[in-house]
Amino acid sequence: ETGVTQTPRHLVMGMTNKKSLKCEQHLGHNAMYWYKQSAKKPLELMFVYSLEERVENNSVPSRFSPECPNSSHLFLHLHTLQPEDSALYLCASSQRWTVEDYGYTFGSGTRLTVV
Amino acid sequence: AQKITQTQPGMFVQEKEAVTLDCTYDTSDQSYGLFWYKQPSSGEMIFLIYQGSYDEQNATEGRYSLNFQKARKSANLVISASQLGDSAMYFCAMREGGGAQKLVFGQGTRLTINP
Repeated sequence: ETGVTQTPRHLVMGMTNKKSLKCEQHLGHNAMYWYKQSAKKPLELMFVYSLEERVENNSVPSRFSPECPNSSHLFLHLHTLQPEDSALYLCASSQRWTVEDYGYTFGSGTRLTVV
Repeated sequence: AQKITQTQPGMFVQEKEAVTLDCTYDTSDQSYGLFWYKQPSSGEMIFLIYQGSYDEQNATEGRYSLNFQKARKSANLVISASQLGDSAMYFCAMREGGGAQKLVFGQGTRLTINP
């Protein structure tokens, strides 16, 4: 496989459930990102991982818990979510600390619905 | 303050016509990068074109060109000879200088190509 792969593509969960989103990149990049895309709002950066270390957390509620076990994998653990958390969650990767003309490479996203 | 502004929520264009999508940005950095992404209904963000702040010539990629006017802080995307497959959301994004390489996105423009 190539590029950035996100699973699952669609997820419906109750407010008391615990689930995880998975992202995997096969590009040899050293940075990975989680974005949230809600209807009629710009993409919101949630977390940044560089060399498996979290370097940014943009005031994201604790019900979202990221994990980056290695440079190729990124998870977003979800628990006790709210209906307003329903959105498209996009994972991306990049090669940090280089002048790169291509910005991020994105996955296809996970469409999350909280009921 | 909004760093990336896309003032056109929606655009309707006839097939084979050229279309310009507007983007203005705000930064105090001397070194920055500007990107355009396309998001079809499938959700994936597809990189289209990149312009570095020090690039003197406008970037071009096939039917895509970026009209970069640094003094006006604008980075409009021009699509020549539009096709039905160009119907999608289009996002302008900026990466400011520094190692974090965070991409900040605008609100997006929904482009519809009519046959």
